[in-house]
Amino acid sequence: AQSVAQPEDQVNVAEGNPLTVKCTYSVSGNPYLFWYVQYPNRGLQFLLKYITGDNLVKGSYGFEAEFNKSQTSFHLKKPSALVSDSALYFCAVRPLKAAGNKLTFGGGTRVLVKP
Amino acid sequence: DADVTQTPRNRITKTGKRIMLECSQTKGHDRMYWYRQDPGLGLRLIYYSFDVKDINKGEISDGYSVSRQAQAKFSLSLESAIPNQTALYFCATSDPGQGRGYTFGSGTRLTVV
Repeated sequence: AQSVAQPEDQVNVAEGNPLTVKCTYSVSGNPYLFWYVQYPNRGLQFLLKYITGDNLVKGSYGFEAEFNKSQTSFHLKKPSALVSDSALYFCAVRPLKAAGNKLTFGGGTRVLVKP
Repeated sequence: DADVTQTPRNRITKTGKRIMLECSQTKGHDRMYWYRQDPGLGLRLIYYSFDVKDINKGEISDGYSVSRQAQAKFSLSLESAIPNQTALYFCATSDPGQGRGYTFGSGTRLTVV
């Protein structure tokens, strides 16, 4: 069975500093990885995905994520955080070759960016 | 208009009551999902449907049922609500290709008292 771990419940960072949100996964075969963001009272919004190819994936709002197969990680990064990046972030995975599109989500990491 | 619309947005109900959460979509996607979100547990899959005639249980389907009335509509029912079903419920859709994963609705916050 596939699983996702987000080891930090909350990440605090000062505005302008680099932001990293950690994610590790377990899946059979090659993974199809996603990051989503949830703002208060909103549904989840797609940030970026990794399928194959370059290990560094660039997404929306200046976010990027680095796929590391040997460490089974897919950490989300932003070079310079903004107060508006404060939100709940979810990592998700499914096998690249799967019968359906069922994603498994991590527990979420709350990001708080302080001015 | 939102691509995936959930109603109601908020609901408070009493233990033992039957309640239905509704989801409609304009994406034209065949695949629809119901998830519940609990703090620290992320999103857990309740039911999913790959087309009108294909409905499947997810990891936490006990106490829930669903109905796929049309390609665009997927309803979740709690036949007899209990307090530990208090959660934020999300409907999502997807296409079978290598797309953006899911498109989510804005969620229904359900409180069972």
